[in-house]
Amino acid sequence: SQQGEEDPQALSIQEGENATMNCSYKTSINNLQWYRQNSGRGLVHLILIRSNEREKHSGRLRVTLDTSKKSSSLLITASRAADTASYFCATDAPGGNEKLTFGTGTRLTIIP
Amino acid sequence: DAMVIQNPRYQVTQFGKPVTLSCSQTLNHNVMYWYQQKSSQAPKLLFHYYDKDFNNEADTPDNFQSRRPNTSFCFLDIRSPGLGDAAMYLCATSRDPRFRSGGALDTQYFGPGTRLTVL
Repeated sequence: SQQGEEDPQALSIQEGENATMNCSYKTSINNLQWYRQNSGRGLVHLILIRSNEREKHSGRLRVTLDTSKKSSSLLITASRAADTASYFCATDAPGGNEKLTFGTGTRLTIIP
Repeated sequence: DAMVIQNPRYQVTQFGKPVTLSCSQTLNHNVMYWYQQKSSQAPKLLFHYYDKDFNNEADTPDNFQSRRPNTSFCFLDIRSPGLGDAAMYLCATSRDPRFRSGGALDTQYFGPGTRLTVL
C-alpha cells in the first residue's frame, strides 16, 4: 500500500492565489521530499525536509512537517501558470533499503 | 550540465516483443532506480542498484529484468510486454546514502522518462 496519501487529488486555483497540498504517511521517516511532475515528464525535486525539522522554505515554496500527526503540507505562494503540474510527496523510512515511497499525488491546475 | 538521460523518449512495441529501455547519467551516483508510472498514479519502484548490487522489489514481475554494466548506464528489459505494461518508465539516481547521517536518502534525480506503448 502507498506510504503517502495526498489531498486533494486535484486542485484548481486562479493565478496569483496560494495553493496548499497535504500529505499523510503511516510510518516513521528519516525525511520527506516533495517532487513536481509536468505532464509527460520526469519528476523534479523541490524540497527535502528532515524528520527533526518543522518548516522549510525555498523561494515561493513552504513545507511543513508534523511528525506527531505524520503529515506534511506544501504551500505554493503567488501561483503562476507554470506551476501547473502534479505534486508528489515521498518518504524515506528508517531501514527502508535506499528507496522512497511516493504518495498518490495532487494534480494542480493554475487558471490564468 | 550533469543529468539523467533516457532513450528513447517514446517506444512502441508489439505484444510479446522484447524491448529494452536505456538510462545514462553523468552525475556519478552510486544508486540507480527504475520506476513504472501508469496514468495518474504514483511512480512504482521496480528495482534499484546499489553500485552493482541489484535489489528487486518483491512484486516486480519476472518479465522485467535489468542490467547495469557500469556506473553510468542502466537498462530495463521487458521480455514479453503485455498490454498492462504500457506506462511511463522513469530512471532516477541518487548519492550513496551510506555516507549520510542515519543513512537517510538524498534527493533523487529523474530522467525525462520513456513512454512505452504496447500494441
